[in-house]
Formats: sequence, C-alpha cells, structure tokens
Amino acid sequence: DGGITQSPKYLFRKEGQNVTLSCEQNLNHDAMYWYRQDPGQGLRLIYYSQIVNDFQKGDIAEGYSVSREKKESFPLTVTSAQKNPTAFYLCASGGTYSNQPQHFGDGTRLSIL
Amino acid sequence: GENVGLHLPTLSVQEGDNSIINCAYSNSASDYFIWYKQESGKGPQFIIDIRSNMDKRQGQRVTVLLNKTVKHLSLQIAATQPGDSAVYFCAEVPSGSARQLTFGSGTQLTVLP
Repeated sequence: DGGITQSPKYLFRKEGQNVTLSCEQNLNHDAMYWYRQDPGQGLRLIYYSQIVNDFQKGDIAEGYSVSREKKESFPLTVTSAQKNPTAFYLCASGGTYSNQPQHFGDGTRLSIL
Repeated sequence: GENVGLHLPTLSVQEGDNSIINCAYSNSASDYFIWYKQESGKGPQFIIDIRSNMDKRQGQRVTVLLNKTVKHLSLQIAATQPGDSAVYFCAEVPSGSARQLTFGSGTQLTVLP
C-alpha cells in the first residue's frame, strides 16, 4: 500500500540527547514536511523540502535539523537545543502542484525522561 | 514556561443528524483549502478539498462550502455516524507559496448515540 511511515511511534529523550525521527514515503512525492502538534492545538511547520538535497525552515525550526538525501526519506533530528520537545510530530508529503493535498503519517510521540 | 493546551471548540450531534463545522481563514490570498479529520493518536486524514474558484464541492456524505467574501469555510457531514467522532481541521494554502499549509485550531466533533 502507498503511504507514509513514521517510526518509532513513541520515543523518549534524555536531557542533552539528540533523537532522530524517521519518515519514509512511497507515494513518489517531491515535497515532504515536518509538523509539530501540541495538545489541543493545530499543526505548526518545522521544516519542509521540495526536492532532494534541499530544505527550508518553517515557522518553528529552532532546535531541529533535517536532511533530504533521498526522495523517499526525510528524517527529523530533535537536538538538545530544543528545550520543550515534548509533542506529537507529524510528517507529511505532497506533490508540488497547487491542487494536491498533503498526506500524513501516523506520527511520533516524543516525551522527556 | 509550561505549554498549556488550548480547549478546542466542540460540537456534539446525535447519530444520524447532520453536522456543520465552521472555519474562518486568515489570508485573502489563499486559493486552496483542505479539510482533515484527526482521530486520537493518529495523523490527519484528508477528507475533501476545494479551490478558490469554487464555492461548493461535494464528496461522499461531506460537502465543503467556501465564502471568500467573509473568508469562511464550512464542512457539512450528512447522517453523522459514531466513526465521525474526531477533531476536524481546516487548512489554507496561499497562492504562490511552497504549498505550506496553515492549520486552524480544530473542532472536536462528538457523535452521541
């Protein structure tokens, strides 16, 4: 089945540790996105990539880093500089045409130990 | 400081009734709009979309209405079922953007038996 796979589903971070969240898609989409969702709130854009080897900061990029070495993969690293990392992280992909929706994975819930 | 979650607007409807979920969008330059459904612990699921050159679009049991004059979207769900219980988000995409979605805060729909 075509879709977006995020792993792990749950992740715990110790203080001072970097953690990496995985996102893989087999929809052949050029563009991929990372969002953060806090309880009772909408989604906020962290980073996005429209093409391999290129990515742009979103609204809340501080404390996060990404890479886009392959079309299918867009991992997100939550660094120790992100002081409030506890949230639900969602990865999405979508075509580059203006009338195509983004499709989402089922998220990774990150908590602090 | 501590991140305090906001209380989502809520809508409760009887099973079998019609539901109407409203959304005000902010950017008059937005030309593409999407409704998503998010169940607990899962990623947003695409429901229906509409472009700004339309004022109504129908899907299976769902209808989206767009009023550009007052920057308002609504999602109508016919014959609401228990499986429709979820948080519903609208999202807007400004024309010419890198397809970045701006999400509303969401509405919690509860279907009563």
